[in-house]
Amino acid sequence: AQKVTQAQTEISVVEKEDVTLDCVYETRDTTYYLFWYKQPPSGELVFLIRRNSFDEQNEISGRYSWNFQKSTSSFNFTITASQVVDSAVYFCALSEARLRGQNFVFGPGTRLSVLP
Amino acid sequence: DAGVTQSPTHLIKTRGQQVTLRCSPKSGHDTVSWYQQALGQGPQFIFQYYEEEERQRGNFPDRFSGHQFPNYSSELNVNALLLGDSALYLCASSLGSLGVQPQHFGDGTRLSIL
Repeated sequence: AQKVTQAQTEISVVEKEDVTLDCVYETRDTTYYLFWYKQPPSGELVFLIRRNSFDEQNEISGRYSWNFQKSTSSFNFTITASQVVDSAVYFCALSEARLRGQNFVFGPGTRLSVLP
Repeated sequence: DAGVTQSPTHLIKTRGQQVTLRCSPKSGHDTVSWYQQALGQGPQFIFQYYEEEERQRGNFPDRFSGHQFPNYSSELNVNALLLGDSALYLCASSLGSLGVQPQHFGDGTRLSIL
């Protein structure tokens, strides 16, 4: 069965600090997709990144970077030089490839507070 | 380019009533998924519609049903409402149903059951 664990319920940092959000997943499939979403106070989930199971290259996008390690079933997310606008709930999600439709499984989320 | 739109924004119902929530997908998307997000929790997958058929379903009772129309818009229906159905209901759309493309989410409908 699919499962996504985000062990950090809440994290508080001071602006300009680096912060890493952890994500551990479970799946029996060899083909799957991992995602990170941001949910600001307004409520809309904002897509950040997608990674497929065959691509273990780390990715950097501005202040955001992602570290995918299949050996430890982890897909961690780092924000460098955090800003107050980064304050939100961040969700890691897993989708397994299916012939008929997809079933996203979200983790419980990590609430990040960036203090000025 | 319109994103995913949901209506209504807020809704208040009483136990036992029925409710219908509506979703219009992002332009160019053909797949719609529905999620229930209780306060302080991650979204829980309800079901996904593609080509007007329910393709995948999460662990939700039959009181939760849906429909997709030829223009790809979708409805979520919940019968015999319970207090526990109070939550934010999110609609997400994507292109294709195989999990390759990311889902884009609407702002949600906040449903309160009294």
